[in-house]
Amino acid sequence: GAVVSQHPSWVICKSGTSVKIECRSLDFQATTMFWYRQFPKQSLMLMATSNEGSKATYEQGVEKDKFLINHASLTLSTLTVTSAHPEDSSFYICSARVERREGYEQYFGPGTRLTVT
Amino acid sequence: GQNIDQPTEMTATEGAIVQINCTYQTSGFNGLFWYQQHAGEAPTFLSYNVLDGLEEKGRFSSFLSRSKGYSYLLLKELQMKDSASYLCAVLDSNYQLIWGAGTKLIIKP
Repeated sequence: GAVVSQHPSWVICKSGTSVKIECRSLDFQATTMFWYRQFPKQSLMLMATSNEGSKATYEQGVEKDKFLINHASLTLSTLTVTSAHPEDSSFYICSARVERREGYEQYFGPGTRLTVT
Repeated sequence: GQNIDQPTEMTATEGAIVQINCTYQTSGFNGLFWYQQHAGEAPTFLSYNVLDGLEEKGRFSSFLSRSKGYSYLLLKELQMKDSASYLCAVLDSNYQLIWGAGTKLIIKP
């Protein structure tokens, strides 16, 4: 299957600072990339959808000024958590979708565990 | 509203077969995904069904009936490492993934 990488895999930052998370599709070009957040023992919560070269579409309740998404190319998307607070501590997972002749495939990165102190 | 239903938890024995069901009601349908997720890790892609019928991949098979809004994931020859959560997700008419809450599968020796 296709590989999606995320960097860093875990990060600890102080309250008020910003953190950037990178998501790359390593061996395919993703038509669309997604950012999810997952709390312990809960399902994934979609934060935003991004297409290369255009602005991200944020889900209701997600602050676009706080969670900045840049989709610079068909293989790279970044999520920047600005002015982080302890309540932003979570597991952030990116996902990349590719459309193939037989349908869609969507793969997830390994996730980034963010802890804000 | 949109809804994905799957059992919260299932228990099975090593070496046995288990079927995890998923029913859905969504605005449109562009395919159904099954993912495996171990605790503390991101989901791993297992299968994608967009046409009715059974898709087999090794020990895992996935079935879809669009008219019934129903899918199942079949796991054969269960191994201890199959203990995980299994997530059902439907791609709706806006190409957004609608997620089930996941089924926690416990494998006993």
